[in-house]
Amino acid sequence: QVTLKESGPVLVKPTETLTLTCTVSGFSLNNARMGVSWIRQPPGKALEWLAHIFSNDETGYNTSLLDRLTISQDPSKSQVVLTMTNLDPVDTATYYCARIPSGYFVGSYYYYYYYMDVWGKGTTVTVSS
Amino acid sequence: EIVMTQSPATLSVSPGERATLSCRASQSVGSNLAWYQQRPGQAPRLLIYGASTRATGVPARFSGSGSGTEFTLTISSLQSEDFAVYYCQQYNYRPPYSFGQGTKLDIK
Repeated sequence: QVTLKESGPVLVKPTETLTLTCTVSGFSLNNARMGVSWIRQPPGKALEWLAHIFSNDETGYNTSLLDRLTISQDPSKSQVVLTMTNLDPVDTATYYCARIPSGYFVGSYYYYYYYMDVWGKGTTVTVSS
Repeated sequence: EIVMTQSPATLSVSPGERATLSCRASQSVGSNLAWYQQRPGQAPRLLIYGASTRATGVPARFSGSGSGTEFTLTISSLQSEDFAVYYCQQYNYRPPYSFGQGTKLDIK
């Protein structure tokens, strides 16, 4: 059974750095071409995609947050870590991590998927002094 | 950045009836479109990927269609557990992989 679990601080002060950890089970972060995304959802609002990382360490970021986000992974611990710097109250949200499934070959070319097939339950972060 | 627009914002439908939700992309995303269901207090759940392929375990009453910039999610006969918020997401080639603002499906 594939599961993902987010963990991190519940309350963060403005200007501080947030570090969130996603611990996965049921699949390996070394698995060829699977990945993990982070997504957030402010209270009562829509989902916002933040970043992803693949087993080959390829990363992608939301361009509006590019200078504040860093995603990394430690396959030996089955963990993906997201750091976000210079927190602001508008960053208050539920933060989700989710698995990106393996893509597919067409001839010799490999196509990545970028949707998420299994989600964690989320962790709520409040930014307040 | 590709902007995803969902309509309507809220849709009121009676149980057993058909619901049709729309999603429009600001530029073509091919068939790189997913639909998610989010029930209150829960994480999103993947319903459809590739615009029309149901995810594992998703009931056949859910179907997706469209390509390019216009997409539709249809629920053929609404069950009580289907009343939720639905999001579309494009994942065409390069980030950010934007979501729509959601459609809330209400009981009429």
